[in-house]
Amino acid sequence: GEDVEQSLFLSVREGDSSVINCTYTDSSSTYLYWYKQEPGAGLQLLTYIFSNMDMKQDQRLTVLLNKKDKHLSLRIADTQTGDSAIYFCAEKVGGSYIPTFGRGTSLIVHP
Amino acid sequence: SAVISQKPSRDICQRGTSLTIQCQVDSQVTMMFWYRQQPGQSLTLIATANQGSEATYESGFVIDKFPISRPNLTFSTLTVSNMSPEDSSIYLCSVEKSQGNTDTQYFGPGTRLTVL
Repeated sequence: GEDVEQSLFLSVREGDSSVINCTYTDSSSTYLYWYKQEPGAGLQLLTYIFSNMDMKQDQRLTVLLNKKDKHLSLRIADTQTGDSAIYFCAEKVGGSYIPTFGRGTSLIVHP
Repeated sequence: SAVISQKPSRDICQRGTSLTIQCQVDSQVTMMFWYRQQPGQSLTLIATANQGSEATYESGFVIDKFPISRPNLTFSTLTVSNMSPEDSSIYLCSVEKSQGNTDTQYFGPGTRLTVL
């Protein structure tokens, strides 16, 4: 199976919260990242979390890490149409400078 | 952070031709990376380019097909040679820079390539 797995699609109503989930397999992950890719654009780093943390909040974004279950989530509060994009989860394993990316979750925000 | 530009932003090419993609960074960086992103797929690393040495290619990618140049610390090119429709993809340039207490990858806007 893939090292980093994400569901491919998520649809939410504007104003609701979005939760994008990610699972990974390597327990030696040091950092985990969330990137956002808008149509026709490159990947934009949204946030990252160190593996010894279990939560990180940055304005509307909340990252939760369950290291025991190897599960990472990104919660977007008050989701707006401008949040529609593909969200990539990535992990970096100790000793490697190349992160491993998931296939991305396409977030669709509808009125 | 880093500001990265790529040229061209998109191109439509004929089978058998070659295309060179340019990547420019607004600051000096040691490591630059080239990725391929196929529709519905994750990012696949093609190679790592360090200035002053040959690029390091990942499994499944070879220098004859994807020659890379890295003439200085702010610029790199990737050539897609003897193209076939299977090479149709988005090609992304990336650099690694320090962000807080971690080294993070920053990406260019990508080059969308269609091969007919």
